[in-house]
Amino acid sequence: GEQVEQLPSILRVQEGSSASINCSYEDSASNYFPWYKQEPGENPKLIIDIRSNMERKQIQELIVLLDKKAKRFSLHITDTQPGDSAMYFCAASSYNQGKLIFGQGTKLSIKP
Amino acid sequence: DPKIIQKPKYLVAVTGSEKILICEQYLGHNAMYWYRQSAKKPLEFMFSYSYQKLMDNQTASSRFQPQSSKKNHLDLQITALKPDDSATYFCASSQEGTGSERLFFGHGTKLSVL
Repeated sequence: GEQVEQLPSILRVQEGSSASINCSYEDSASNYFPWYKQEPGENPKLIIDIRSNMERKQIQELIVLLDKKAKRFSLHITDTQPGDSAMYFCAASSYNQGKLIFGQGTKLSIKP
Repeated sequence: DPKIIQKPKYLVAVTGSEKILICEQYLGHNAMYWYRQSAKKPLEFMFSYSYQKLMDNQTASSRFQPQSSKKNHLDLQITALKPDDSATYFCASSQEGTGSERLFFGHGTKLSVL
């Protein structure tokens, strides 16, 4: 089945700088790649997603890049703010799988 | 106003006992899921149901049994509880269960097995 690797596990960046999280997947049939943000004690919430017919998607300060040949995708948060501190999870799935497989998560901390 | 309701929010159980985790969704979705989150395995897929039929089961143990009495309900029965079962169990739903669609999570049930 699909496996998703996510790095780094811990990321600390200065407020106002950019943060990047990288994920890789194994199944070339995967075609949907969402990102979730989870704050302590809360449920994971979808923040941005990209499908395999796109290479780049941006929603405000969030940018997702997808490289299908390399089977990699990444999340970039520009101009980070204290409210961006949280756990971030990438995931991948294909139409046939019927489920999302998640990466191990990245704990992002924004230093003031 | 949460659209995916999980009950209870916290649950403490004794080793060897049995518990049922409740999940109802009011998003009009046809697919529901259970995921488990622990320090060892963040967001681990357990089960998926589509139109009240089991689609996928990635849980090795038969101690975990999903139960779907209505299209918008997917409960999780856990028998012979073990301390290793301690985790937060998230119910989720999506429109059709194809996999290539947005997944929404409930707020979770945090289970502690003593």
